[in-house]
Amino acid sequence: EDQVTQSPEALRLQEGESSSLNCSYTVSGLRGLFWYRQDPGKGPEFLFTLYSAGEEKEKERLKATLTKKESFLHITAPKPEDSATYLCAVLSQGGSEKLVFGKGMKLTVNP
Amino acid sequence: DADVTQTPRNRITKTGKRIMLECSQTKGHDRMYWYRQDPGLGLRLIYYSFDVKDINKGEISDGYSVSRQAQAKFSLSLESAIPNQTALYFCATSDFGLAGETQYFGPGTRLLVL
Repeated sequence: EDQVTQSPEALRLQEGESSSLNCSYTVSGLRGLFWYRQDPGKGPEFLFTLYSAGEEKEKERLKATLTKKESFLHITAPKPEDSATYLCAVLSQGGSEKLVFGKGMKLTVNP
Repeated sequence: DADVTQTPRNRITKTGKRIMLECSQTKGHDRMYWYRQDPGLGLRLIYYSFDVKDINKGEISDGYSVSRQAQAKFSLSLESAIPNQTALYFCATSDFGLAGETQYFGPGTRLLVL
């Protein structure tokens, strides 16, 4: 069974304090790993898709990387507006069209 | 205008009532999905549809039904609502093919069943 584990569950940073969020996954062949950002009361907003180990993608202060077992979302010099819940999800090659989500990681950036 | 819209945005209903949540999209995507989100449980798939004639159950379809009225419209029904269906419900869409498998979510419907 495909599984996704995100850690830590919650993280508090000071503005400018860089850190990384971890997403560990177990799938029967990875078709894609997805990162989303979700603000309170809103739908998840797509950030990145990664397809193969070694791949990296960047957007503003965020950089996502992928290995065969995990993905990291690196946040460089975060600002308060980066505060949100970050979701990781995987799509497997096992034939199921189901995205499997982690439980999310709530990031708070204090000014 | 938003690419994926959901109505209503908030709904309060009573146990045993039938309710329908609606989703419309202007992205031109063939695939549509319904999820529910509960605190501590993450997003779970209820139903998904690859085209108007293709409907599939997700991991938690019991107590729910869906209708794909057109490529752009996908409705979720609770035939007889119960309190543990209180949750945040999201519709999502995606295109076909590896490059297009990213799912785009609507703003959500907050449902409270009393």
